[in-house]
Amino acid sequence: DARVTQTPRDKVTEMGQEVTMRCQPILGHNTVFWYRQTMMQGLELLAYFRNRAPLDDSGMPKDRFSAEMPDATLATLKIQPSEPRDSAVYFCASGSATSQETQYFGPGTRLLVL
Amino acid sequence: SQKIEQNSEALNIQEGKTATLTCNYTNYSPAYLQWYRQDPGRGPVFLLLIRENEKEKRKERLKVTFDTTLKQSLFHITASQPADSATYLCALAHGSSNTGKLIFGQGTTLQVKP
Repeated sequence: DARVTQTPRDKVTEMGQEVTMRCQPILGHNTVFWYRQTMMQGLELLAYFRNRAPLDDSGMPKDRFSAEMPDATLATLKIQPSEPRDSAVYFCASGSATSQETQYFGPGTRLLVL
Repeated sequence: SQKIEQNSEALNIQEGKTATLTCNYTNYSPAYLQWYRQDPGRGPVFLLLIRENEKEKRKERLKVTFDTTLKQSLFHITASQPADSATYLCALAHGSSNTGKLIFGQGTTLQVKP
């Protein structure tokens, strides 16, 4: 049963600390998306990669957020320094080369910045 | 400006009835539109995709229509069941159709009562 996995599932941290979220896309998928979901803004696209190359990170605050794909099985989203307004659920989704339109979401990382 | 609107008020219906959810958009010309289901504490799950040259798509008890003139999609669940209770998100393809990039609506929560 192929699934997108995300770690950690929950993270509580203090303002100013670095937060790293990890995503393992479905094996063989070549596109990875990072989203943030809040009650106020809904689901917002932060960045996405194809074949490990960043294609669009226009939705991401550049001064504190960074996204990378060190290899095809790992995507990371880092916040440094974190702020209370970053509190949200962060989702990773992956898509395959043969069916690019459909996105498969992970369970999310619930982040609370105090 | 570009906007996607879903009814923010929860939709409450009786088991066995047909649920109809609406997605309206402005200033987009999406190549396709998708519907996702999201349960509390979980990531969205893909349900259906409909392309701009298609009027209607069906999958089991689900039906989606797409009117590019009205800029509207309707999502129907026939013979609804309490297990259909969830939040339903519409998502529009953003930019060229081969990017896989989606813009999501805020979602409508459906509650099916036994």
